Amino acid sequence: QVQLQQSGPGLVKPSQTLSLTCAVSGDSVSSAVWHWIRQSPSRGLEWLGRTYYNSKWHYDYAGSVKSRITVNPDTSKNQFSLHLNSVTPEDTAIYYCARSTSVTSGTAFDYWAQGTLVTVFS
Amino acid sequence: DIVMTQSPDSLAVSLGERATINCKSSQSVLCTSNNDNHLAWYQQKPGQPPKLLIYWASTRESGVPDRFSGSGSGTDFSLTISSLQAEDVAVYYCQQYCIPPPTFGQGTRVEIK
Repeated sequence: QVQLQQSGPGLVKPSQTLSLTCAVSGDSVSSAVWHWIRQSPSRGLEWLGRTYYNSKWHYDYAGSVKSRITVNPDTSKNQFSLHLNSVTPEDTAIYYCARSTSVTSGTAFDYWAQGTLVTVFS
Repeated sequence: DIVMTQSPDSLAVSLGERATINCKSSQSVLCTSNNDNHLAWYQQKPGQPPKLLIYWASTRESGVPDRFSGSGSGTDFSLTISSLQAEDVAVYYCQQYCIPPPTFGQGTRVEIK
């Protein structure tokens, strides 16, 4: 059974970096595709970025955050992370990590973590 | 980006009655990569992450009750709950995964009448 466990602070100050980690069990981060998605009342469910391994590591990001986001795998700990810098109150949301299973044809998000409410507040 | 538009925004249905949610995409999500509709439906209850119900527009995820069914092709899709149960009260989302970035509908809240 695949499980995703998020960790990271729930409060970040404006202009600082939001950092979350998603620990994976029951699968390998070198298999499948690993995503970050956020949810807020104003923006709904918004896909942020993904990473996957296919001969090398690949990274794709949403245009809305492309200049501020990094998603990194850590194979030694079987986890991946989200770093979103220069945050503003508009980045306040519940952040989820999730899995999909194929890059070539695209697949739905079949496993999700419980989510982390991150508030950007000074 | 593909825009996903759901209707209605909310609906109230009596227990045991049928509930139908519609989802329209701004472009076809029938992908040439595998000639299938790259459309999923999720259920979200308060305080929980979205749960995958349906993928490839009409394939139920393992463990999902058969009162949930998906249909449609191209740009127009539906999720039907054939006989609404109390535990089905939730917000439902459609999502396309044909053309990056993946995008979601705004959600439809289902309540008991």
